[in-house]
Amino acid sequence: GAGVSQSPSNKVTEKGKDVELRCDPISGHTALYWYRQSLGQGLEFLIYFQGNSAPDKSGLPSDRFSAERTGGSVSTLTIQRTQQEDSAVYLCASNPRLGDEQFFGPGTRLTVL
Amino acid sequence: GNSVTQMEGPVTLSEEAFLTINCTYTATGYPSLFWYVQYPGEGLQLLLKATKADDKGSNKGFEATYRKETTSFHLEKGSVQVSDSAVYFCALRSGGYQKVTFGTGTKLQVIP
Repeated sequence: GAGVSQSPSNKVTEKGKDVELRCDPISGHTALYWYRQSLGQGLEFLIYFQGNSAPDKSGLPSDRFSAERTGGSVSTLTIQRTQQEDSAVYLCASNPRLGDEQFFGPGTRLTVL
Repeated sequence: GNSVTQMEGPVTLSEEAFLTINCTYTATGYPSLFWYVQYPGEGLQLLLKATKADDKGSNKGFEATYRKETTSFHLEKGSVQVSDSAVYFCALRSGGYQKVTFGTGTKLQVIP
């Protein structure tokens, strides 16, 4: 069956521009997670959704970062006024209910020039 | 807060060598522990897990035992193959808290 998909796979943008990253979780998965993987770093938790609500936004690095989820499905991570330090691979994961294995998408590689 | 520390890579081994990747953790309560693997060009996937002390997770010849007394979850394989070349991440999830905390990853390269 289809796994978690993310788009775009690669995004190059100029400093100061806004970007939107999209995640399509596995159908029926109620929990959705965003992580960031920077060069030489582990995976950094950003935010998770249970349905359309986000009980934990503690990992968002600044107010330039926001995320939403609609219809309990697709999620969009928006980064406003991008900075070079935002360059990373942004990973999305989902699972069918809280506590189960997380299934990861292939990621979006963001490069801010 | 929760944290995971794993040995730095890269680790280079010859085919059929024994593999150990060390992982220790700090967590409140009784966490579930995981090893994820990221093959070149692919997304992360769960390799194995253990949910309570003394549990052994195993998959594809890899094993890891949940050691509460040493707060460790070391990954082992008796005989590695070239196809095992990947980045391995140790991770934990604590109690009802849904955030998974990952280590920094260990790159394994197996040469023929």
